[in-house]
Amino acid sequence: DAGVTQSPTHLIKTRGQQVTLRCSPKSGHDTVSWYQQALGQGPQFIFQYYEEEERQRGNFPDRFSGHQFPNYSSELNVNALLLGDSALYLCASSFPGTGGVVRELFFGEGSRLTVL
Amino acid sequence: SQQGEEDPQALSIQEGENATMNCSYKTSINNLQWYRQNSGRGLVHLILIRSNEREKHSGRLRVTLDTSKKSSSLLITASRAADTASYFCAGNAGGTSYGKLTFGQGTILTVHP
Repeated sequence: DAGVTQSPTHLIKTRGQQVTLRCSPKSGHDTVSWYQQALGQGPQFIFQYYEEEERQRGNFPDRFSGHQFPNYSSELNVNALLLGDSALYLCASSFPGTGGVVRELFFGEGSRLTVL
Repeated sequence: SQQGEEDPQALSIQEGENATMNCSYKTSINNLQWYRQNSGRGLVHLILIRSNEREKHSGRLRVTLDTSKKSSSLLITASRAADTASYFCAGNAGGTSYGKLTFGQGTILTVHP
């Protein structure tokens, strides 16, 4: 049973460039959430996708966008990269839950982005 | 900004000792979860405690929740070197928050053999 897989594992970009990160959820999960984790900090919620739509969004600018495909996989796009976007980007999958409640998130190993 | 605050920020103990980590949060929650992270890798879910529960056990883990004080604690008994990791608490408010978990800044636990 494959867990959550993310690609690429590491990448280096320069300021102003654009990046796309990819995530395949755990088998049987249809909900994907993205988190940003700066060095020494806890993860911060970017957004969640369910049924190919963004269902909830954290406090991130519009430069951060995403997409979910019919097979439940997801992409995170970041435009006009800033130095401060350097972080570990984590994808997590789950069942959608009821009443907004999330029971457990399954995380991938993350994509480490360095912006120079 | 982070909702949860963990205390201590770092904890260093010997194998066999118990490790206690505390977490405080600001807003009402439906449940509170604890996760473990090894050296900048993915997070692994450890345990979930609902807002109507006060204590929960899982193996060597014991979690308590005090909703009146908006605080939780994670106790790891008989620690092992393999328990060395960062530990995060995360609150889920339920309702319209959907899949959003709000994480604290974490406690770095080092267990010396």
